[in-house]
Amino acid sequence: EAGVTQFPSHSVIEKGQTVTLRCDPISGHDNLYWYRRVMGKEIKFLLHFVKESKQDESGMPNNRFLAERTGGTYSTLKVQPAELEDSGVYFCASSQAKGGSTDTQYFGPGTRLTVL
Amino acid sequence: AQTVTQSQPEMSVQEAETVTLSCTYDTSENNYYLFWYKQPPSRQMILVIRQEAYKQQNATENRFSVNFQKAAKSFSLKISDSQLGDTAMYFCAFMGISSNTGKLIFGQGTTLQVKP
Repeated sequence: EAGVTQFPSHSVIEKGQTVTLRCDPISGHDNLYWYRRVMGKEIKFLLHFVKESKQDESGMPNNRFLAERTGGTYSTLKVQPAELEDSGVYFCASSQAKGGSTDTQYFGPGTRLTVL
Repeated sequence: AQTVTQSQPEMSVQEAETVTLSCTYDTSENNYYLFWYKQPPSRQMILVIRQEAYKQQNATENRFSVNFQKAAKSFSLKISDSQLGDTAMYFCAFMGISSNTGKLIFGQGTTLQVKP
C-alpha cells in the first residue's frame, strides 16, 4: 500500500510568487490534514478535510493560504502571494476513520518551502 | 488551549543503553490521546506509540514504552536497548477528543543521537 505522498519535495520561490503544494493521501482515507513547521518551532496544525469538506481550518494563518480537496482525493495548498515567514516544512497526513477521527495519522515526507 | 512542551531540545545515548525523553502537556479535557512520533533524518514521520488517557496501563511497543502520569500531565518515552536506527527527532503530540477533529498539537521536538 502506498503511503502519503507530497509534491514537490522542495520548492524555492521569491517573495510575492505563488506556490501550490500537493498531497496524495493513502487510498480510502477520508481524513486529510495539513500541518507546517516553521524554522525550529513546533509543528502546527493548519486544517482538516473530511472527504472534500473542510472540517476545521482554524490553523490557517491568513487568507493568502487556500486549501482544496476536490473530489475528496488529493489536496492542494496554495500560497499566494508568498511571504518570507511562510518558509518551512509543510506536512500532510491522512487517517482512515470517518468524521472526527482519533485514528492514527500517517504523515507524508513533507514539502520544504523556501521563500527568498 | 492545549499545549505540549518538550524541554530537551537534544539528547544523546550510547548504543544499547536506555534513554528517556520528557514531555508535559496542559489541557482541561479529561479524555484525550497522546502520541510519540519519530522523524529519522530525511525520512517521514512515523508513529512510535500511542496512549489513551482513559487507560491506566502504560503503552508499550517492543523497546519503546511510556510513563503516563495523568495527574502530573506527563508523558515520557523510554527507549530501551537503543539502536543506531533510533537516531531521529522525536515529537510528542496531544489529541483532544472533545474537538472531534483529530487535530494534533505537537511539542517542539527532541533530537536524539544514538552513538556507537
